[in-house]
Amino acid sequence: GEDVEQSLFLSVREGDSSVINCTYTDSSSTYLYWYKQEPGAGLQLLTYIFSNMDMKQDQRLTVLLNKKDKHLSLRIADTQTGDSAIYFCAERDNNNDMRFGAGTRLTVKP
Amino acid sequence: DSGVTQTPKHLITATGQRVTLRCSPRSGDLSVYWYQQSLDQGLQFLIQYYNGEERAKGNILERFSAQQFPDLHSELNLSSLELGDSALYFCASGPFRKGNTEAFFGQGTRLTVV
Repeated sequence: GEDVEQSLFLSVREGDSSVINCTYTDSSSTYLYWYKQEPGAGLQLLTYIFSNMDMKQDQRLTVLLNKKDKHLSLRIADTQTGDSAIYFCAERDNNNDMRFGAGTRLTVKP
Repeated sequence: DSGVTQTPKHLITATGQRVTLRCSPRSGDLSVYWYQQSLDQGLQFLIQYYNGEERAKGNILERFSAQQFPDLHSELNLSSLELGDSALYFCASGPFRKGNTEAFFGQGTRLTVV
C-alpha cells in the first residue's frame, strides 16, 4: 500500500530551527498535513498545504512541498521548549482517504 | 474538542483477556480510522472503515478485529491480550467530501496489559 515515512526522533537546541522531514508515495495526494501531539493529548491539525503549492508560511512555521520527489518538510523557526511534541505528517488522496506517518518526536533542549 | 469521542479513556486488564474500545466519529463523517501508538514504533495504522465497510487494512493482528455500525460508531476488539499490546489506541474520523477537511482524532484509550 501507499506509505508515509518520517524519522522517529529529532533533538534541537532552543532558539535553533527545527526541520522535520516526511516522504510519501501516493502521487494522487491532494492535501498534505502536519499534525501536532502534545504530551497526554490527541493529534491536532497544525497546518496543511494543497498539493499544487510548494510553500506555505504561517508565523514560525514553514511548510515546503516537493511534489516531484514526494517530500514534505516542516520548519519551525526559533524553536521553543513549548514546541516539544510529536509531529505527524499526513496525506489525503483523491478518494479522501488519509494516511499518517509514525510521528517525529521533537525534543527541544534549553 | 475534536468531536470524536473515545471510551474508555483508560483500561487496565490482564494478559489473555479481551477488551472492546469504542469510537464515535464526528457528526457527518463516514470514515473511521484506528491507530495504535507505542513509544518504540510510533503511530501505526490498524484499519479503516467507511460507511460500515472495511476500506483499508494496516498492521492489524489477527487477534484484533473491528467493525463500524449503522450509526457509524466503531468498535475495536482486542483479544488474547499480551503485554506488548499495551499502547495508546486512537480513533480518527475522516473527510468524505471535497475541500480541505481533515481527519479529527479522539483523545485516545490508554490500554495497559498487566
